[in-house]
Amino acid sequence: QVQLQESGPGQVKPSGTLSLTCAVSGGSISTGSWWSWVRQPPGKGLEWIGEIYHSGSTHYNPSLKSRVTISVDKSKIQFSLTLTSVTAADTAVYYCARWIPARPAFDYWGQGILVTVSS
Amino acid sequence: QSALTQPASVSGSPGQSITISCTGTSSDIGYYNFVSWYQQHPGKAPKLMIYDVTDRPSGVSPRFSGSKSGNTASLTISGLQAEDEADYYCSSYTNSNTVVFGGGTKVTVL
Repeated sequence: QVQLQESGPGQVKPSGTLSLTCAVSGGSISTGSWWSWVRQPPGKGLEWIGEIYHSGSTHYNPSLKSRVTISVDKSKIQFSLTLTSVTAADTAVYYCARWIPARPAFDYWGQGILVTVSS
Repeated sequence: QSALTQPASVSGSPGQSITISCTGTSSDIGYYNFVSWYQQHPGKAPKLMIYDVTDRPSGVSPRFSGSKSGNTASLTISGLQAEDEADYYCSSYTNSNTVVFGGGTKVTVL
């Protein structure tokens, strides 16, 4: 069974850079799945941030595209999120998730990590 | 891209059926049959309940069913149970190779 685990700082200063990593276990990162980031501000709904394929191909949410980079490290079986120029509006629980084209949906999710943007 | 539109809340008594609507556009729900639904309990990660509009992953109760007509998808919960009280989110793949979520619906079991 695939397991995903987010890690990274729980607090980032305004105008700084948010960096998170998602470790994948129980399966290969090169299985034909897309690896995604989704966030949820406190008390609000889900927002898709973007996704990456093991080849390095990416798709991003147009509203975040200028600030987001998602990368993959196949040797470490993990993928990462970088979000620049953060503001309080970027405070959220950040989830990593697997998108499987065979059943277009997020079938596995990490537990989530709360990142607070505050000085 | 704009979020899909869901009602903020839906409620029902135990044993009843409820339906949650999810309205998008011809670029997302109306373009593909790639609609999925997620259940989220407080403090937990979302759980996949429906994919490809109507299909259930292994282990999901048959009380959950999905449908679609035009640009609107729906999730129906039959035989409502206390454990069904949660937030529900719809999602769709778009013709721009992005994913869009609905704003979420809080289901209350009276």
